[in-house]
Amino acid sequence: GNSVTQMEGPVTLSEEAFLTINCTYTATGYPSLFWYVQYPGEGLQLLLKATKADDKGSNKGFEATYRKETTSFHLEKGSVQVSDSAVYFCALRDSNYQLIWGAGTKLIIKP
Amino acid sequence: KAGVTQTPRYLIKTRGQQVTLSCSPISGHRSVSWYQQTPGQGLQFLFEYFSETQRNKGNFPGRFSGRQFSNSRSEMNVSTLELGDSALYLCASSSDGGSYGYTFGSGTRLTVV
Repeated sequence: GNSVTQMEGPVTLSEEAFLTINCTYTATGYPSLFWYVQYPGEGLQLLLKATKADDKGSNKGFEATYRKETTSFHLEKGSVQVSDSAVYFCALRDSNYQLIWGAGTKLIIKP
Repeated sequence: KAGVTQTPRYLIKTRGQQVTLSCSPISGHRSVSWYQQTPGQGLQFLFEYFSETQRNKGNFPGRFSGRQFSNSRSEMNVSTLELGDSALYLCASSSDGGSYGYTFGSGTRLTVV
């Protein structure tokens, strides 16, 4: 069946460091891929998306490229800020209107 | 425009009781989905509705049910509550069934004691 695997956290970085959070998926067909972010006590916010192979999603300095050949959708940011501290979820939307989620990666940015 | 509104934000219920959670989607969105979030199981799909029809249901017992009204508002009901039902319940809406992403509400935090 469909599944999403993302790197375990927490990931701790210093401010202005480079960020990569790995995400790989298993799916039939060509699912849409997403990164969502969750701040403490809040719901999920869509960070970026890609709907087909080689698409690059980007938002607020974050980027991820839909790699069909490696079934990956890694999240990157060139220079993180303390305000980026949150939990990040990778997800795919399957053909049955369902989001399949990774376990989430907690990101901690230290000043 | 207004986002996805979930009510109530917090609930405390006793084992064996039932509970109804409400979700108002973004105006114009006809697809509403529900997810359960727990520390142990993560995010799990409950069900998805489009124009009052349930199109998909996750692997939850029959105690979990939902419905969607003609104005796209949705409710989910959990009967005979168990301690393990304590979770954050998230509602999400989209215009097209989620191909381009869902917008989530802030969730309802249910605690069963």
